[in-house]
Amino acid sequence: SQTIHQWPATLVQPVGSPLSLECTVEGTSNPNLYWYRQAAGRGLQLLFYSVGIGQISSEVPQNLSASRPQDRQFILSSKKLLLSDSGFYLCAWDRLRGGNTIYFGEGSWLTVV
Amino acid sequence: EDKVVQSPLSLVVHEGDTVTLNCSYEVTNFRSLLWYKQEKKAPTFLFMLTSSGIEKKSGRLSSILDKKELFSILNITATQTGDSAIYLCAGGQAGTALIFGKGTTLSVSS
Repeated sequence: SQTIHQWPATLVQPVGSPLSLECTVEGTSNPNLYWYRQAAGRGLQLLFYSVGIGQISSEVPQNLSASRPQDRQFILSSKKLLLSDSGFYLCAWDRLRGGNTIYFGEGSWLTVV
Repeated sequence: EDKVVQSPLSLVVHEGDTVTLNCSYEVTNFRSLLWYKQEKKAPTFLFMLTSSGIEKKSGRLSSILDKKELFSILNITATQTGDSAIYLCAGGQAGTALIFGKGTTLSVSS
């Protein structure tokens, strides 16, 4: 069966510090991978999605970047965090992009202070 | 602009009540409507609806899609405290990622 893991689960970072959140999927190959952010009262906002190694699409302009160095690894990064980057970050995957069920990782709580 | 709107944004009920959560959508190249339940961390999948008028049911939860009026409802009968969660609705479109609504926060008191 397929599983998805992301880490760290929680972190508190000062403004201006870097960020790296990692996500890996097991039990499948060539998954589509997603990073979402959930801020209070704002639902799930799609940040990035990737259909393959090195292929990243960004949905909103922001202080963050994403990379996919391996087929089942997706990384969310920032060089300098802003207060507004605080939120709950979710990694997700599916096999066939386009209206199909996606499965989420456990999420990472980021507080920028 | 594609969007998914859920209502109400929050709801407080007593155990045993029946609740109806609403989701309307405007999604180009629409393919499916999905419901997720989010308790403390990751959202978990509930239903995916692709055809109008066909109810999907799982225990006390059921959902139906109306593709003419562009909405879906999620019903929960005989609510329990364990149903307290954020319920997310998402529109699926061809060739791209799901579009989520803001969610409905349901609180069930004993």
